[in-house]
Amino acid sequence: DAGVIQSPRHEVTEMGQEVTLRCKPISGHNSLFWYRQTMMRGLELLIYFNNNVPIDDSGMPEDRFSAKMPNASFSTLKIQPSEPRDSAVYFCASSPAGREETQYFGPGTRLLVL
Amino acid sequence: LAKTTQPISMDSYEGQEVNITCSHNNIATNDYITWYQQFPSQGPRFIIQGYKTKVTNEVASLFIPADRKSSTLSLPRVSLSDTAVYYCLVVALGYNKLIFGAGTRLAVHP
Repeated sequence: DAGVIQSPRHEVTEMGQEVTLRCKPISGHNSLFWYRQTMMRGLELLIYFNNNVPIDDSGMPEDRFSAKMPNASFSTLKIQPSEPRDSAVYFCASSPAGREETQYFGPGTRLLVL
Repeated sequence: LAKTTQPISMDSYEGQEVNITCSHNNIATNDYITWYQQFPSQGPRFIIQGYKTKVTNEVASLFIPADRKSSTLSLPRVSLSDTAVYYCLVVALGYNKLIFGAGTRLAVHP
């Protein structure tokens, strides 16, 4: 299995630009999670989906952030407009049905907003 | 969700056994204790989970006393490659949300 796939691995953009992060979960997993990690705040859960439906988005910082999961094999996290304080590593993770506590993380996308 | 407390950092040497203790005083009946490991520039990786007594796998052992208010992750004979951040989480069965604390930064020295 290829594991969770994220793209791009690195993204450098300017303040005000739209950023789209992509994730392909492990095939057969029915839950998908987006996290953000910074030195100051650690690892934070932004949103998670179960069977493509958003279940909890209470961690999404503000309206500039949005996430979609149009099908079981693809999800996006969009930031529009981006700000320097959004600079972080964004991880996507997925978990199998019945093992929600066992999450498989992708390699992350390192985002730098100038 | 039960709050967990673990040391900020630990140091060890190659070949030694490392024990990282986590406190979770208000753990609920349905909660499991789960540990993740994170290497630099990588996402966290699930390493072990338990409910009570002792669990062992190819990576680590997890010791949980009868009152379940704490747990100890044991890494036998660590090597330099075990240098990582180790997170203790308490997770309710069937509840997807993982809350990561600051973790314990383990440094293994030659």
